[in-house]
Amino acid sequence: GESVGLHLPTLSVQEGDNSIINCAYSNSASDYFIWYKQESGKGPQFIIDIRSNMDKRQGQRVTVLLNKTVKHLSLQIAATQPGDSAVYFCAENSGGSNYKLTFGKGTLLTVNP
Amino acid sequence: DVKVTQSSRYLVKRTGEKVFLECVQDMDHENMFWYRQDPGLGLRLIYFSYDVKMKEKGDIPEGYSVSREKKERFSLILESASTNQTSMYLCASSRGQGGGYTFGSGTRLTVV
Repeated sequence: GESVGLHLPTLSVQEGDNSIINCAYSNSASDYFIWYKQESGKGPQFIIDIRSNMDKRQGQRVTVLLNKTVKHLSLQIAATQPGDSAVYFCAENSGGSNYKLTFGKGTLLTVNP
Repeated sequence: DVKVTQSSRYLVKRTGEKVFLECVQDMDHENMFWYRQDPGLGLRLIYFSYDVKMKEKGDIPEGYSVSREKKERFSLILESASTNQTSMYLCASSRGQGGGYTFGSGTRLTVV
């Protein structure tokens, strides 16, 4: 979800469990969504994207679900590994002539061995 | 491997110095962006450019300027560095309209 105050939402899971990270997006006109992963001290990396004409898209160990009715996006990570520990944030693009992404503030995922 | 390259990973500068942060992309992307990232505040857009020699202000342009003389290079300039500009600076690029960004590795700037 979105951050509250100065603290990122956090999710702590055991290695091997599945993780679900949620994001509420802001613009009902957005038609393209992306999940990014940012490890400590590094730049964000693209994980998976989805367009608004889909409600589910799968990648390698990751699945993105889109619920346009409630403007909700989720990232599911299967069999979470210690290397998945990072900040995850969603981004939306409202399409048309707007090429800027709007970013959520992120969720910190910690994977315990 | 396509990439966005930021010239420095770490920089320490003195208050009042003029600071240049360089970013180069090799993907022939039209759009380039500069963000700063601070704890609890997320990514904040400073400036962006959608074409050579074109630039637009983002959400927090004060104290910064940019230059885009060539398509592949987008420079961020801190005219007179201040301590409140200590931050992680991220460059990104994207093609055309509605695409995702490719980010650089970031430059952690400390102003003392």
